[in-house]
Amino acid sequence: NAGVTQTPKFRVLKTGQSMTLLCAQDMNHEYMYWYRQDPGMGLRLIHYSVGEGTTAKGEVPDGYNVSRLKKQNFLLGLESAAPSQTSVYFCASSYDLGKRYTGELFFGEGSRLTVL
Amino acid sequence: GENVEQHPSTLSVQEGDSAVIKCTYSDSASNYFPWYKQELGKGPQLIIDIRSNVGEKKDQRIAVTLNKTAKHFSLHITETQPEDSAVYFCAGGGYSTLTFGKGTMLLVSP
Repeated sequence: NAGVTQTPKFRVLKTGQSMTLLCAQDMNHEYMYWYRQDPGMGLRLIHYSVGEGTTAKGEVPDGYNVSRLKKQNFLLGLESAAPSQTSVYFCASSYDLGKRYTGELFFGEGSRLTVL
Repeated sequence: GENVEQHPSTLSVQEGDSAVIKCTYSDSASNYFPWYKQELGKGPQLIIDIRSNVGEKKDQRIAVTLNKTAKHFSLHITETQPEDSAVYFCAGGGYSTLTFGKGTMLLVSP
């Protein structure tokens, strides 16, 4: 039982390049999230999904796209990377307690992205 | 949307002392307030949580209190140990998403 797995763990990009971060969970959770963590800024929500085929914007969605084609996977894409997107990205998943109430978030180990 | 403020940003204590971290939230509809611990190089991990129908919850050396009227909640760690050193995040929300505070770096000196 791996929990939440993120790939890759490290990546260096040049400005303007594109890439995709993959998150996979094996807990059959309905909800999945992408957060970014920057020094002194805490965890800020980028995009999230409340079920397969659905996505929604979070607090800082600009410059990112997401897809949830399968329940267990949540992809975060950067179409044209910028230095401001240098950050540590965390994926999380949680179960649905009913009426869209979320339970505990289970986090992955993080993906460190540097954009030069 | 929800806004969560967390204080202090850093906290240094001696082993055996107590540590208190405080958070305030803005959205009265929020009903779930978890606390996460993040060790260096790892993802955050839940240590305790509280729902809005409960005022206090304890788990061994850790306790959380919630004051819905004042919209604030606090984490209390008693008899701190060096392994408690980490970054702690509070969060608020519960309806599909959680908003996190900016974190408190707790350093416990032997």
